[in-house]
Amino acid sequence: EVQLLESGGGLVQPGGSLRLSCAASGFTFSSYAMSWVRQAPGKGLEWVSVISGSGDNTYYADSVKGRFTISRDNSMNTLYLQMNSLRAEDTAVYYCAKGAGGSCDSNLDFWGQGTLVTVSS
Amino acid sequence: DIVMIQSPDSLAVSLGERATINCKSSRNVLYTSNSKNYLGWYQQKPGQPPKLLIYWASTRESGVPDRFSGSGSGTDFTLTISSLQAEDVAVYYCQQYYSPPFTFGPGTKVDIK
Repeated sequence: EVQLLESGGGLVQPGGSLRLSCAASGFTFSSYAMSWVRQAPGKGLEWVSVISGSGDNTYYADSVKGRFTISRDNSMNTLYLQMNSLRAEDTAVYYCAKGAGGSCDSNLDFWGQGTLVTVSS
Repeated sequence: DIVMIQSPDSLAVSLGERATINCKSSRNVLYTSNSKNYLGWYQQKPGQPPKLLIYWASTRESGVPDRFSGSGSGTDFTLTISSLQAEDVAVYYCQQYYSPPFTFGPGTKVDIK
């Protein structure tokens, strides 16, 4: 059974940093691209970032480019999102999602329950 | 960036009736070398994460009821619920995964009339 468990969310001040983690199980982690998608309170889905199964390729939304870094540890079956220079508009539930294939251009066939990030003073 | 537009923003349909949601991309998402449209549909119920319904524009994900179907190619796509059930109340999103950033549409809320 595929499981994705996000952690690391919480309250952070503007300008601060946070690292999200997503622990994966139930599939061969290194064979699949992984993504982060966020949802601000009461709003729609916003794609944030993706990393290929090997970790060689990464892409970002313009809104987070230069501030967020996606990475993965295939030996630990864990996906990360390092978030720096956080802004109020980064407040959202952050979902970890599994790609259907190893390349970044994959649909998202399984989603975690999400972790809430609140950026506020 | 590819912009995804959905219509309508919301709709209310009687139980057992058809619901149709449209999605339009600002650029073609059909990859001609493999004839696949890089377009997916997701369902999100209140308080839950999204769930994949349809990929490659028209392929139903395993376990998804056959009342859900996807169609279209290039820039224009449709999600159809042939006979709306109470458990289908949700927000539906389209997403292109043709070219990063892999943008979502704004969502269409489906309710019971």
